[in-house]
Amino acid sequence: DAGVIQSPRHEVTEMGQEVTLRCKPISGHNSLFWYRQTMMRGLELLIYFNNNVPIDDSGMPEDRFSAKMPNASFSTLKIQPSEPRDSAVYFCASRTASSTDTQYFGPGTRLTVL
Amino acid sequence: SQKIEQNSEALNIQEGKTATLTCNYTNYSPAYLQWYRQDPGRGPVFLLLIRENEKEKRKERLKVTFDTTLKQSLFHITASQPADSATYLCALGLSGNTPLVFGKGTRLSVIA
Repeated sequence: DAGVIQSPRHEVTEMGQEVTLRCKPISGHNSLFWYRQTMMRGLELLIYFNNNVPIDDSGMPEDRFSAKMPNASFSTLKIQPSEPRDSAVYFCASRTASSTDTQYFGPGTRLTVL
Repeated sequence: SQKIEQNSEALNIQEGKTATLTCNYTNYSPAYLQWYRQDPGRGPVFLLLIRENEKEKRKERLKVTFDTTLKQSLFHITASQPADSATYLCALGLSGNTPLVFGKGTRLSVIA
């Protein structure tokens, strides 16, 4: 298996632009997580899905952030409009339905908003 | 308030020595705890899991302890090598099928 796939790996955009981050989880995994990592705040959970259904989006910072999972093999995280304070590394992770199972992380998308 | 604290942002250690990293938590009741390794430019990678009813877990040069009374986990790397240099994250697993809660991590540097 190729592991969790994220695209793009790097994104540089200007304030006010729309940004879409993409994630393909590991086949057979039922849960998908979106995290944001910064030096100041560490790894923060933004939203997670179980069986393609959003369960908890309380970590989404503002209405500018939205996430979808239209099917078991694809998810997007969208920021519209983007702001400089959104600059961070965004990780997608997936795991099986067993809560103690390992979370497998993608390589991350480094977002820079100018 | 709920907190997870990894006691050092950075830890420098001489090659061959044992590195000990600490994870303390407040106002959580984890059912298990996991440790991850993160290299620069990469996502975290799972290392070890320890459950609340387990005192100690070992894997090769790695050892994890879990003390639910002290609300603390210790992560040890024996005979440390420069290749062990990375950031190590602890993560609490709560009841039910809920996401892990991560600490900020400790950046370990093993000096040859």
